[in-house]
Amino acid sequence: AQKVTQAQTEISVVEKEDVTLDCVYETRDTTYYLFWYKQPPSGELVFLIRRNSFDEQNEISGRYSWNFQKSTSSFNFTITASQVVDSAVYFCALSEAGGDSWGKFQFGAGTQVVVTP
Amino acid sequence: DAGVIQSPRHEVTEMGQEVTLRCKPISGHDYLFWYRQTMMRGLELLIYFNNNVPIDDSGMPEDRFSAKMPNASFSTLKIQPSEPRDSAVYFCASSLRRSSGGLDNEQFFGPGTRLTVL
Repeated sequence: AQKVTQAQTEISVVEKEDVTLDCVYETRDTTYYLFWYKQPPSGELVFLIRRNSFDEQNEISGRYSWNFQKSTSSFNFTITASQVVDSAVYFCALSEAGGDSWGKFQFGAGTQVVVTP
Repeated sequence: DAGVIQSPRHEVTEMGQEVTLRCKPISGHDYLFWYRQTMMRGLELLIYFNNNVPIDDSGMPEDRFSAKMPNASFSTLKIQPSEPRDSAVYFCASSLRRSSGGLDNEQFFGPGTRLTVL
């Protein structure tokens, strides 16, 4: 069975500090996909990034970066030089590619990020 | 392009009433998902469809919940009769399986319907 753990319930930082969100997953599939979503106070869920299990290359997009390590089953997310607009709940999700599970997401519990000026 | 559209955005009803939530997926997407979000249980997948056919409804909490997808551009989630514990935000999401390998399968979410059952 697939499982996603976001151990950090809430992280509070002061603007311009870096913040790293942890995500640890469990799966029996050899092919799977990992995602990060952002849910700002307005409530919508915004897709940030997708990673495939066979692509461990880390990625940077502006102030966002992602560190995918299959050896530790982790897919961590770092916000550099945080801003107040980064305040949101961030969800990590896992999708297995095999058979009937295709497209079905398992979401973590989410990490609330609070950035204060 | 329009994203996933949900209506109503807010619904307040009394216990025992029927509630119908509506969703229009992104045009061309072949998967549609219904989720429920609460503080206690987080994001739960209720049911999902592929090409209008229900694939997995194991997350539907009980017989009071039903979902339909009569065509590729419309789906409903119905609760009858509603109970206070059904109060939650209900999200609809859609995705597109672009290839047999299914690599591009991120889900795009609608704005959600906030349901309050009194």
